[in-house]
Amino acid sequence: DAKTTQPNSMESNEEEPVHLPCNHSTISGTDYIHWYRQLPSQGPEYVIHGLTSNVNNRMASLAIAEDRKSSTLILHRATLRDAAVYYCITSYGKLTFGQGTILTVHP
Amino acid sequence: SQTIHQWPATLVQPVGSPLSLECTVEGTSNPNLYWYRQAAGRGLQLLFYSVGIGQISSEVPQNLSASRPQDRQFILSSKKLLLSDSGFYLCAWSTRDRLSSGANVLTFGAGSRLTVL
Repeated sequence: DAKTTQPNSMESNEEEPVHLPCNHSTISGTDYIHWYRQLPSQGPEYVIHGLTSNVNNRMASLAIAEDRKSSTLILHRATLRDAAVYYCITSYGKLTFGQGTILTVHP
Repeated sequence: SQTIHQWPATLVQPVGSPLSLECTVEGTSNPNLYWYRQAAGRGLQLLFYSVGIGQISSEVPQNLSASRPQDRQFILSSKKLLLSDSGFYLCAWSTRDRLSSGANVLTFGAGSRLTVL
């Protein structure tokens, strides 16, 4: 699995968009980019994944750089329930989770 | 719909005692099954994964073992617990044909929190 780099923490206000960055400069051509989030004392929850094109689902959007060396998870309108640790993973097959980004959402 | 169950949710065990954590999946057949561990304040570490009954792959050498006696049952065990075995243990599953695919999406259970004293 390629190594990913994420900020340790980020803060946002409720109802505002949040852009969570992830660098993965050593990503291989077959690695997908996955995002999961983990609420306190719970198991991680799948958010979104993609390969080359930008992806949208009901939870978030994934913007992938043209060279695939970075990506951004976009939460369009943060809510208090979005406060969690967000993990960016690049992988083909088994998933390896790093330290992630702790997102704090202020009311 | 598919569901995943883990138990017990919380466990406090003395050093040297045995351990058995159980995970079952419902609503799917032939899943890939995984055990992860999360130490306090750290990321998740993949411990074991299984692609079928009796087929276990270990990712890191350790004091733990895993078994898959039935298609949708995954058990994590230890004969003698160490203090360093404390942590949050998570079971997960994914569809069989996805393990060799970059689109392997995991669904996690609620976790089992183990404290070894």
